[in-house]
Amino acid sequence: DTAVSQTPKYLVTQMGNDKSIKCEQNLGHDTMYWYKQDSKKFLKIMFSYNNKELIINETVPNRFSPKSPDKAHLNLHINSLELGDSAVYFCASSQDRYNSPLHFGNGTRLTVT
Amino acid sequence: GQNIDQPTEMTATEGAIVQINCTYQTSGFNGLFWYQQHAGEAPTFLSYNVLDGLEEKGRFSSFLSRSKGYSYLLLKELQMKDSASYLCAVRDSSGQNFVFGPGTRLSVLP
Repeated sequence: DTAVSQTPKYLVTQMGNDKSIKCEQNLGHDTMYWYKQDSKKFLKIMFSYNNKELIINETVPNRFSPKSPDKAHLNLHINSLELGDSAVYFCASSQDRYNSPLHFGNGTRLTVT
Repeated sequence: GQNIDQPTEMTATEGAIVQINCTYQTSGFNGLFWYQQHAGEAPTFLSYNVLDGLEEKGRFSSFLSRSKGYSYLLLKELQMKDSASYLCAVRDSSGQNFVFGPGTRLSVLP
């Protein structure tokens, strides 16, 4: 029944490692997003995909690479992790209607040591 | 540019009414959304405004004035479980981007 699910929930890793976060939505939405929430709880968009096509690519280091194999999935791969990457990463989806809100996954708390 | 502003913290008493303000200056506007986020959890959708005026949903109401770039969320009959962060977000002119404010952390005291 979970609408937007992302894994893992927690990720603890060392600097320099490469890691991936997976996201899937079963709502039939057209658009999926990755947001980053820092220690001050500010939610900032990183990427947005509409029907597998990259729509928004904010000023994010090249070490972050999203991949959307189909419109129900949007994964995030991070290379060469840095201390500053520690944050909570939220996947979200929405329908292409202006009154359609974002539906968030439960978040992945990434800690880089 | 995009700028959304909210008070950082607010405190209110159980049973009272609280109003959380949000002002915005964004590149285009396709609706304003309010979200509630409890500590350690994901944001959940509360309300949506696209036309000027008040939208009421039980104990929660949200108001919008597009000419003033202003919205507020009104919470009535406050309960302890309402202690959370409240996020204001604007859907921009592309319709594809939701820009979030910094959030207001509300503490409800007994």
